[in-house]
Amino acid sequence: EDQVTQSPEALRLQEGESSSLNCSYTVSGLRGLFWYRQDPGKGPEFLFTLYSAGEEKEKERLKATLTKKESFLHITAPKPEDSATYLCAVMGSGFGNEKLTFGTGTRLTIIP
Amino acid sequence: KAGVTQTPRYLIKTRGQQVTLSCSPISGHRSVSWYQQTPGQGLQFLFEYFSETQRNKGNFPGRFSGRQFSNSRSEMNVSTLELGDSALYLCASRIIGADYGYTFGSGTRLTVV
Repeated sequence: EDQVTQSPEALRLQEGESSSLNCSYTVSGLRGLFWYRQDPGKGPEFLFTLYSAGEEKEKERLKATLTKKESFLHITAPKPEDSATYLCAVMGSGFGNEKLTFGTGTRLTIIP
Repeated sequence: KAGVTQTPRYLIKTRGQQVTLSCSPISGHRSVSWYQQTPGQGLQFLFEYFSETQRNKGNFPGRFSGRQFSNSRSEMNVSTLELGDSALYLCASRIIGADYGYTFGSGTRLTVV
């Protein structure tokens, strides 16, 4: 069974203070690893898809990286509007396994 | 371009009742998935429909069911509601194989009393 563990559960940073969120996973054949952002009262918003170890993707102040066992979401010089819950999910390969398995998320708070 | 639309946004039901939730996917998206989100369990997969057929199913009891119509709109039904069914129910649509994965709606907040 696919599993995703995210750490830390919550993170408070000062505006401009860079940090990283961790996503550890086990999956029977990785089809893709997804990062989402979720604001209170809203559905998850897609950020990145990573497919293979060594891959990196960037979007504004966010950069996602992938190894064979974990993914990191690096946040550089964050702003208060980056405050949200960040969710990591994996999709495994194989018939009947095409679904997202989510971690419980990291709740990020950026203090002005 | 319109996003994924879920109705209603909020529902309050009594234990033992049944409920039907609706989801309209992004135009052109033929796959619709449903997820349950609770504070303790996070997001859990319920099922996925594609071309009116259930393509995949999560580990939920048979009280949870769904269907998809020819226009790709989907409904989810929960019968004999229990207090533990209180959750945010999220619908997501996608083009299978697309890099951007799933696009989620804002969800239906179901409270069972």
